[in-house]
Amino acid sequence: EAEVAQSPRYKITEKSQAVAFWCDPISGHATLYWYRQILGQGPELLVQFQDESVVDDSQLPKDRFSAERLKGVDSTLKIQPAELGDSAMYLCASSSWTGGRNTEAFFGQGTRLTVV
Amino acid sequence: AQKVTQAQTEISVVEKEDVTLDCVYETRDTTYYLFWYKQPPSGELVFLIRRNSFDEQNEISGRYSWNFQKSTSSFNFTITASQVVDSAVYFCALSEAGAAGNKLTFGGGTRVLVKP
Repeated sequence: EAEVAQSPRYKITEKSQAVAFWCDPISGHATLYWYRQILGQGPELLVQFQDESVVDDSQLPKDRFSAERLKGVDSTLKIQPAELGDSAMYLCASSSWTGGRNTEAFFGQGTRLTVV
Repeated sequence: AQKVTQAQTEISVVEKEDVTLDCVYETRDTTYYLFWYKQPPSGELVFLIRRNSFDEQNEISGRYSWNFQKSTSSFNFTITASQVVDSAVYFCALSEAGAAGNKLTFGGGTRVLVKP
């Protein structure tokens, strides 16, 4: 069964260090999303890609966060420098355009980041 | 702006009891999608259902059923004869209906604990 792959599953980093997360969406899915989920809350969208282009990054803290999807397939989300408040689950999801509409988003297992 | 409210933060039931999760949403869009996702302890979000705003028919899938009432902006979810495996956090979500993909606005989630 096709799934969204994310790595690493867990990451502990020190404050002010750089950290990166990787996501490989389901094959053929043109739309890729990065969400951040703070413990006890619902996920919030950070950035959305359509192929290699950013569609929405209005909630991405651009002073420290960056995201890319260079070839329109896998994607990397980077934080530099990490802050204590960045501790959260980072979820990647993907969806496709089929039959004249977007499919539901399929989520990966997430990367749980702890900043110490 | 879109908003999803799940007033119940945690529900505890004994196995075989029914449990209903409330979801109230706000949107200015005339066409939109509503979703329910399940998040087990492993972390990934599992898609359960998508409902188009034009389709107010209730839906049943096994032990799951959904009640969509546009007049009250509610999309409630019922688990009948709950089982221990239903223990998870359940999220209601909303997205606009368009070609730009399913940017999801999530509620805060309801944690369901089913005791044997």
